Amino acid sequence: SAVISQKPSRDICQRGTSLTIQCQVDSQVTMMFWYRQQPGQSLTLIATANQGSEATYESGFVIDKFPISRPNLTFSTLTVSNMSPEDSSIYLCSAVENTIYFGEGSWLTVV
Amino acid sequence: QKEVEQNSGPLSVPEGAIASLNCTYSDRVSQSFFWYRQYSGKSPELIMSIYSNGDKEDGRFTAQLNKASQYVSLLIRDSQPSDSATYLCAVNQGYGGSQGNLIFGKGTKLSVKP
Repeated sequence: SAVISQKPSRDICQRGTSLTIQCQVDSQVTMMFWYRQQPGQSLTLIATANQGSEATYESGFVIDKFPISRPNLTFSTLTVSNMSPEDSSIYLCSAVENTIYFGEGSWLTVV
Repeated sequence: QKEVEQNSGPLSVPEGAIASLNCTYSDRVSQSFFWYRQYSGKSPELIMSIYSNGDKEDGRFTAQLNKASQYVSLLIRDSQPSDSATYLCAVNQGYGGSQGNLIFGKGTKLSVKP
């Protein structure tokens, strides 16, 4: 199974700042995704990270707020821009290799 | 709007009993179904995937799929206190949705009492 590493694992961020989360997969994968899990809620897909092209965003999520990069088949980044307390969530990277795996998540708290 | 529904629980079962977790989905063309376990403070961990009608067994876990009824379930036999977690049902977003593009239910919290 694919091993997915995320950095940072946790962070406390100031309101109005931006933070970039990195996701590294130990093998080349075709599909990578970014999910958000708000406190007490289930997972919601933010976007599909497309290699070599712009990410595909789900309804309610926009590139200006959540810019995503996917420079190769093993790596992606998600930036949470101009953060507010409502952005306090777990951000999860996932990858498809036969089935769908998740990274350990990045716990962000915005103060 | 595509939806995945789960009973939020908590579902409480005694140790050694069978825990039954249920999930319904709205998108009739969905083809792939997943059960994830999430411990508090941890990320989701894949337990089972199922793609065809019927039962699929893996150790103490059995996933059941009925596409006609748009229903998928997870049975946990010989439940252990270590099974206490939130169980998330996830459904692939049908035709045109790439694998990995999942809709999640809100999860069922399971508590196994010693």
